[in-house]
Amino acid sequence: KNEVEQSPQNLTAQEGEFITINCSYSVGISALHWLQQHPGGGIVSLFMLSSGKKKHGRLIATINIQEKHSSLHITASHPRDSAVYICAVSGSGGSNYKLTFGKGTLLTVNP
Amino acid sequence: SAVISQKPSRDICQRGTSLTIQCQVDSQVTMMFWYRQQPGQSLTLIATANQGSEATYESGFVIDKFPISRPNLTFSTLTVSNMSPEDSSIYLCSAEGGGTDTQYFGPGTRLTVL
Repeated sequence: KNEVEQSPQNLTAQEGEFITINCSYSVGISALHWLQQHPGGGIVSLFMLSSGKKKHGRLIATINIQEKHSSLHITASHPRDSAVYICAVSGSGGSNYKLTFGKGTLLTVNP
Repeated sequence: SAVISQKPSRDICQRGTSLTIQCQVDSQVTMMFWYRQQPGQSLTLIATANQGSEATYESGFVIDKFPISRPNLTFSTLTVSNMSPEDSSIYLCSAEGGGTDTQYFGPGTRLTVL
């Protein structure tokens, strides 16, 4: 079993829909990261969470430490949100910097 | 935040050759990281590069295959040596965000080995 599991693996939505991507992890962590990868391969860091909830524009990320679970929400989705969203955790194995990645969720938002 | 650039952005190489990928950060950082993302797979850490010391390699990665340099606090290189088609991947560098646990990623280098 992977240390970081994401669901769904693929997600197709219509423009304007509310989107949720889930991430579960099985190890102790110092922080959880949500990343966005565009088709060219470059990665942008969206959030780093150690507790609670963070919001940036139409993106909201939550984490439940007790349940070892995080969600990334996108409100009023738009075709430009189409990308791979990756959950990663840091702090497992005692290193705050070493990231363990999920396999990603491919989001396609159709106009 | 840190802005990271990588060169080249993509390359197509012949089997048996080597390619050096450069990673430049616009600010001084202590720790830099090199990742590999094979087609359809998640990112895998190759090594951690600290300035002034040897890189620390993860299990399954060795210095002879992936030599890394870290000559100063804003620059690192990764060489993929004696390439085979199995080395076809996206290679990404990242840098830690000044003690915040945030990592900033470069745009990646897409390598195809024929």
